[in-house]
Amino acid sequence: DQQVKQNSPSLSVQEGRISILNCDYTNSMFDYFLWYKKYPAEGPTFLISISSIKDKNEDGRFTVFLNKSAKHLSLHIVPSQPGDSAVYFCAASVGGSARQLTFGSGTQLTVLP
Amino acid sequence: GAVVSQHPSWVICKSGTSVKIECRSLDFQATTMFWYRQFPKQSLMLMATSNEGSKATYEQGVEKDKFLINHASLTLSTLTVTSAHPEDSSFYICSARGWTGDQPQHFGDGTRLSIL
Repeated sequence: DQQVKQNSPSLSVQEGRISILNCDYTNSMFDYFLWYKKYPAEGPTFLISISSIKDKNEDGRFTVFLNKSAKHLSLHIVPSQPGDSAVYFCAASVGGSARQLTFGSGTQLTVLP
Repeated sequence: GAVVSQHPSWVICKSGTSVKIECRSLDFQATTMFWYRQFPKQSLMLMATSNEGSKATYEQGVEKDKFLINHASLTLSTLTVTSAHPEDSSFYICSARGWTGDQPQHFGDGTRLSIL
């Protein structure tokens, strides 16, 4: 039973355009959500997070949106750069960031020059 | 930013060998460390949670006698894969978080384990 789902295994975007990565969850107890970026043979790198008390969090080119009623979150990257090409994982936890994370299956983003 | 170091990055060994993987937090004290496993093209699956000075909590289906976890200090946790077999070949990743505020987990670079 996948509690966190990333239904798009891959996404290609032109450099300079917006990248939108989507994530759905089923567990209504999740109250903290994170996005990680991962290169091959490396560990995930934390990008941005959002608590369930908010619906938007922005950090530079990265914005995360949370729609609790739809159990959906998305990561917007604008403008997209070739260096953004990586696998993006969304993750969720119950009880904040200190708790164990449940990961989605990841989306491979390719930013084309 | 927070740095988590994982060593070794790649191990190839014969079946039956025990392999130890170290996870260190370099610039913060990690009260909690997590060990994950990732199969090719799949998500990270949590194996166990370890708190400094106490026994690790294993996820359902993870054999605690097979995957020994020790978290003896606030900066070091180890995962030992005992009597490893080819089916244990995988990518193992640790993460750590400190004890102040609502900090995200920071991940090591992972260990590629290949059992022949």
